[in-house]
Amino acid sequence: SYVLTQPLSVSVALGQAARITCGGNEIGSKNVHWYQQKPGQAPVLVIYRDSNRPSGIPERFSGSNSGNTATLTISRAQVGDEGDYYCQVWTSSTVGLVFGGGTKLTVL
Amino acid sequence: QITLKESGPTLVKPTQTLTLTCTFSGFSLSSSGVGVGWIRQPPGKALEWLALIYWNDEKRYNPPLKSRLSITKDTPKNQVVFTMTNMDPVDTATYYCAYSQQPYEEFDFWGQGTLVTVSS
Repeated sequence: SYVLTQPLSVSVALGQAARITCGGNEIGSKNVHWYQQKPGQAPVLVIYRDSNRPSGIPERFSGSNSGNTATLTISRAQVGDEGDYYCQVWTSSTVGLVFGGGTKLTVL
Repeated sequence: QITLKESGPTLVKPTQTLTLTCTFSGFSLSSSGVGVGWIRQPPGKALEWLALIYWNDEKRYNPPLKSRLSITKDTPKNQVVFTMTNMDPVDTATYYCAYSQQPYEEFDFWGQGTLVTVSS
């Protein structure tokens, strides 16, 4: 199986940059996608294929992926960015699609 | 505008089979590359991928659950049907369907989800 490891929680001061990591074996060779989920709501795609933003997602959201770690960066964090963030990859035809365990972002 | 909505029972008994329907609009499952997946989330826990079906009827399942899962599509009706057999209380979760425009990539849009409780 393939495991994606995320920190349980990340805290950031209002207006500062938040960085959420997603670790996996040679994850840099895979396409990583990121979802934001607010309480009681369905996940929303915020970054796809490592560093692309869907229409409507603020430029403050960016992504990178190299080696064994992918990173979601939220610059100038706002209270409205609070929620759970999940990374996701497609691994192989035998393992399939995998989600990370999720990271709770708190903006202080 | 792409929308998806899950429907089905909110309560099932242990050992029963769960059948959920995803009804969507704004795309066709006959379009090359398009897929619809099912993902679940137990209360307070992480997302778990369950199954995917593509425009060409290719199907993928989460390996540990594969023996219990089935996914089919009804293209003219714009629906995808998901079944999970032998339900157990640990299967209590919100079940989401989601749209993917490229094979083996991201889920671009998600349904609102439906909470399924497994209890006698």
